[in-house]
Amino acid sequence: NAGVMQNPRHLVRRRGQEARLRCSPMKGHSHVYWYRQLPEEGLKFMVYLQKENIIDESGMPKERFSAEFPKEGPSILRIQQVVRGDSAAYFCASSPQQDPSTDTQYFGPGTRLTVL
Amino acid sequence: KNEVEQSPQNLTAQEGEFITINCSYSVGISALHWLQQHPGGGIVSLFMLSSGKKKHGRLIATINIQEKHSSLHITASHPRDSAVYICAVSKGGSEKLVFGKGTKLTVNP
Repeated sequence: NAGVMQNPRHLVRRRGQEARLRCSPMKGHSHVYWYRQLPEEGLKFMVYLQKENIIDESGMPKERFSAEFPKEGPSILRIQQVVRGDSAAYFCASSPQQDPSTDTQYFGPGTRLTVL
Repeated sequence: KNEVEQSPQNLTAQEGEFITINCSYSVGISALHWLQQHPGGGIVSLFMLSSGKKKHGRLIATINIQEKHSSLHITASHPRDSAVYICAVSKGGSEKLVFGKGTKLTVNP
């Protein structure tokens, strides 16, 4: 059973470009979370999705950031018109469809975004 | 003040020593998680607990709900234990995790 997969592992973008980060949850998991880790800072929650639904996006910046988890395919975190401050490690985690407040979350390896 | 505080921030130990990392939180929680982040950046879930104590190999995690405090212990530490250990909580009824800033552990041979 493959773990949570994220790609790309490293992404370099110039200011103003778009960044698309992908996350495939573990098999059988229907809950996906995105977290951001800024340099020298702790992890911060961004968004929680279930298939075709955004459940909680309270941690998402109001502009330029969006996330989706379609019926088929991976979850996508999209950052439009990237700025240098978006440079960070973006982690995806998934959990099974039980009690999300007490389930173990399984983390992917992360995507390290560098904005030049 | 952060909702989740860890101490110490940095910890250096000699191989074989007993290690304790502390986590205090200020909110009602559904569960507390201990995570390990290796130098390569990957994150592994070590424990999830809501009461009592859990043990896995040389790792032991305890939680005191009344005092809002948890500890992670490593017995017979080894250089491969060198990593950042992160405490995180699920706030009551919520699925999202709130993280401490992590404790960087270095175990020297």
